[in-house]
Amino acid sequence: KAGVTQTPRYLIKTRGQQVTLSCSPISGHRSVSWYQQTPGQGLQFLFEYFSETQRNKGNFPGRFSGRQFSNSRSEMNVSTLELGDSALYLCASSFGGTYTDTQYFGPGTRLTVL
Amino acid sequence: DQQVKQNSPSLSVQEGRISILNCDYTNSMFDYFLWYKKYPAEGPTFLISISSIKDKNEDGRFTVFLNKSAKHLSLHIVPSQPGDSAVYFCAASEGGTSYGKLTFGQGTILTVHP
Repeated sequence: KAGVTQTPRYLIKTRGQQVTLSCSPISGHRSVSWYQQTPGQGLQFLFEYFSETQRNKGNFPGRFSGRQFSNSRSEMNVSTLELGDSALYLCASSFGGTYTDTQYFGPGTRLTVL
Repeated sequence: DQQVKQNSPSLSVQEGRISILNCDYTNSMFDYFLWYKKYPAEGPTFLISISSIKDKNEDGRFTVFLNKSAKHLSLHIVPSQPGDSAVYFCAASEGGTSYGKLTFGQGTILTVHP
């Protein structure tokens, strides 16, 4: 069974630009969660989508947004990039039926903002 | 406000010995706990989980212990192997409608020496 895939793996942008990251979940999984990992803040939850609906959201500004498609693939968008948005962005998928469903992570997208 | 804390940034053990990784939490609403390990350039990999109604869960060489009164959990790896060298994260979920949201500790770097 193929794992969670994320594209692109690496991205370099400049301040003020916007970026879109993509996540394809494990086949059969309907939930996709997004996390930001930085050296200072660690792994922080951004949001979660299930059946094209956002069910949960972390404490990030509105510049961070996401969506999910009918095939469960998900994208997250960051607008007006800031230097502090440089991070590893991880997505994780699960069946999503209960909060105890195991989340399986992709390899991440490394975003560098110059 | 760090709700999940891993106070030891690193741990070094000899191959064949026991590795004990610790995690403390402050949020009494957490009722499901997980351990993930992470290799460089990869996403976190699920290891083992435990519900708050249990105090121990085993899976092969990995055992997780939960002390609810002390708000403390630990991961025991016996025997430790060089391939176990990685960053270990504990994570917690509040349950209920906290779909997809895991709160992570800062991680502990485990090094197992041959």
